[in-house]
Formats: sequence, C-alpha cells, structure tokens
Amino acid sequence: DAKTTQPPSMDCAEGRAANLPCNHSTISGNEYVYWYRQIHSQGPQYIIHGLKNNETNEMASLIITEDRKSSTLILPHATLRDTAVYYCIVRVAARDDKIIFGKGTRLHILP
Amino acid sequence: EPEVTQTPSHQVTQMGQEVILRCVPISNHLYFYWYRQILGQKVEFLVSFYNNEISEKSEIFDDQFSVERPDGSNFTLKIRSTKLEDSAMYFCASSRHKINTGELFFGEGSRLTVL
Repeated sequence: DAKTTQPPSMDCAEGRAANLPCNHSTISGNEYVYWYRQIHSQGPQYIIHGLKNNETNEMASLIITEDRKSSTLILPHATLRDTAVYYCIVRVAARDDKIIFGKGTRLHILP
Repeated sequence: EPEVTQTPSHQVTQMGQEVILRCVPISNHLYFYWYRQILGQKVEFLVSFYNNEISEKSEIFDDQFSVERPDGSNFTLKIRSTKLEDSAMYFCASSRHKINTGELFFGEGSRLTVL
C-alpha cells in the first residue's frame, strides 16, 4: 500500500545541503505531503508538511513539483545530528487520524 | 518546550504477564496515539484515541491490547498477556488539533522485552 517511494539510503557531507527525494505519483488532490525523521531509536519527529506550495520552516524546506507527483526535502546546512531515517508520507488532512510510516531514507551525514 | 513523556523507559517481562506502559501527553493536546517499532523494522500504528474513546486501530491492536486515559493526564497501553513477538519499542504521541496539521509529537519510547 506504499503511496511514496524513497531511496533507501543517501550520504551527504557535513555543511552541505541534503536533498532528499520522494515520489508520490498517485497523490490525490486533497493529500498533503509530510516529512518526519527518526534519529537512532528515538521517537519520530515532525519536520514539515505542504499541499502544493513550497514550504520553509526553521528545520527544512519542502519543494513540491507543480504536478505534485514528487517532492524534495532540503536540509540547508546538514550537521552530524541530522543523521537519521527520513520519512515522506502522504495523507488526507481532516480525515485521516494517523500517520503511517514507510521504510524511509537513511541519511548519513559524513564529517 | 512541552514534551510527551513515557515510563518506563525499559521493561523486561516474562511471557504471559500483563504490562502497562504509561504516557503523559502534552497538556492541551486532544489526540493520542500508540505506535510500536520492532527492532530493525518500520514504525507501526497501533491505535488513536480521541474524546475518551478509540478513534481508529490497526490489525495489530487485537484483544490483547487496551488503552485508557484514566485521569485526564495519563494515557496508558495495556498488553494483557505478553508474547515474545510483543518485544518492541512502544511510542506514545499526541496532537494538538484534530490532526489537521498532521503534526504528532512523539515521546522517547518504552522498550519492552518479553522473555
């Protein structure tokens, strides 16, 4: 029932921008794109979400393509503490009660 | 910054014993959740709770599991008769809104080991 496709792992040099891709080609008009991350065995952490416009907060930027079939999470200046599994999730706001996690992308920040 | 707290951080139990995992959600939050993560696997949804009743539950959440909000602050997950396959990290989460924002705040988890 995977709605999103992410690479299983990525590397990024410390201090560089980490760009994490996500494909969601079957996304419907009322589904939002969410990003969470899980550092080691800690609880997942919300990062950002968006519908169709690009979004930015203190943690990251979310770039959604015009056709909404894919998106990219950007960590502008990656640090070693950003090493984590990053999850891209699509869900319908105001209807779905839950967040369903897939396998995500394991991001390694290299010193 | 307010946070979701969970106790115990680690519990070891014998197969067949009852276990209660406790969570204190963020105080003004309305939705509450339990998730679990078996070692090396995905984070799996168990149950959501709103307005003092279960809102949704997964196939994993069978009759062995129950949830309760006994006193307006704690949110508990009870496993009636633990099995070896219940060994996992259990995460509690809460949400401020009627999940429109999709922003869940997770605790640090309770590791359950069933022997």
